[in-house]
Amino acid sequence: EIVLTQSPATLSLSPGERATLSCGASQSVSSGYLAWYQQKPGLAPRLLIYDVSSRATGIPDRFSGSGSGTDFTLTISRLEPEDFAVYYCQQYGSSPATFGQGTRLEIK
Amino acid sequence: QVQLQESGPGLVKPSETLSLTCTVSGGSISSYYWSWIRQPPGKGLEWIGYLDHSGSTNYNPSLKSRVTISVDTSKNQISLKLSSVIAADTAVYYCARGGLEWSLRDWGQGTLVTVSS
Repeated sequence: EIVLTQSPATLSLSPGERATLSCGASQSVSSGYLAWYQQKPGLAPRLLIYDVSSRATGIPDRFSGSGSGTDFTLTISRLEPEDFAVYYCQQYGSSPATFGQGTRLEIK
Repeated sequence: QVQLQESGPGLVKPSETLSLTCTVSGGSISSYYWSWIRQPPGKGLEWIGYLDHSGSTNYNPSLKSRVTISVDTSKNQISLKLSSVIAADTAVYYCARGGLEWSLRDWGQGTLVTVSS
């Protein structure tokens, strides 16, 4: 099983700032099958990024993904108030698919 | 866009079987992969398993002995059964479109299942 470790656990920033979230894998993620999800309280997760760097339908271009192998990054270029939420990475190239433990992005 | 809706009992007794249904609208159930994911209160996400468009299944080894995912194409529904439940199975259960080699693109709203006597 591939273990995903997200850092930091909590990130405190202000609107307008840049956010950088990291996801490290215990082994190489097959074929770049790495996604990022956003979850707000009481709601289902929402797909933001798939295949490392492809934005899902309707996702603003301030969200971008990068990385390869075992190290991946989600960047939010300029934080909007609605971006404060919990973010999860997921690998779906090897069974079982696994999620990171999440990064909470909070308003400073 | 595909829409998904989970349904089923919100309370299940320990040692019994949890049974949930996911009704799919806006797309052919036979064309995609479908997953179940769960989230204990205040915790992270755990992938339970998926069913592909041929009807084959793949389960998380941590739950494999207790899980069954199946499809009813006539009703456009995917079902989840989890046997011999314990308190640690208390979670919000989500169905989603996607699986191995496919990201989870559409999600249901989730349904909370509590295991308690």
